[in-house]
Amino acid sequence: DAKTTQPPSMDCAEGRAANLPCNHSTISGNEYVYWYRQIHSQGPQYIIHGLKNNETNEMASLIITEDRKSSTLILPHATLRDTAVYYCIVRLDDKIIFGKGTRLHILP
Amino acid sequence: KAGVTQTPRYLIKTRGQQVTLSCSPISGHRSVSWYQQTPGQGLQFLFEYFSETQRNKGNFPGRFSGRQFSNSRSEMNVSTLELGDSALYLCASSVVTFGGPGGYTFGSGTRLTVV
Repeated sequence: DAKTTQPPSMDCAEGRAANLPCNHSTISGNEYVYWYRQIHSQGPQYIIHGLKNNETNEMASLIITEDRKSSTLILPHATLRDTAVYYCIVRLDDKIIFGKGTRLHILP
Repeated sequence: KAGVTQTPRYLIKTRGQQVTLSCSPISGHRSVSWYQQTPGQGLQFLFEYFSETQRNKGNFPGRFSGRQFSNSRSEMNVSTLELGDSALYLCASSVVTFGGPGGYTFGSGTRLTVV
């Protein structure tokens, strides 16, 4: 089983920020949080990762709570091309285990 | 730079046959992982290879096997195919094991249909 919990689906209006939550209450101190997304019929795409500090790259921002038990992926200006399943992942027993993810719908 | 290349893209096999799928990682990546994706089970971890050694294995029967060559290219084999093996098989490569700081780069997958 995955070590993360995500809502099964979310909607976001085009042009607005999409905030995708993830709970990982059993994360251990040295485990990174990774985010990937999968657009229909393609392989998952790496978005961002973090350990305990907030991170930002050209695709998104990652906010990790101080206790590291949850995180939020932020897509600052969602477009229709951001419609995908978003996976939040931490390592489990030396394996990268994908959960069910959040299906993000961008509404025009 | 070239991405992760998986061949073939599509494959149709008959129950009882065996199949071999190929994955060429990004140049310089020494870790290759394999995943099976089905609508019902989502992405499931099969195994990971690093420097020609299997480092981790998921909960799949022994019919699923793999190997990695000295040039980091990897193959996975499924013997005695069952209808339930129909899936998208994804390969991911990374510089180090477990994805490491840069994460995995996935290929586009091989879609296997067993009839």
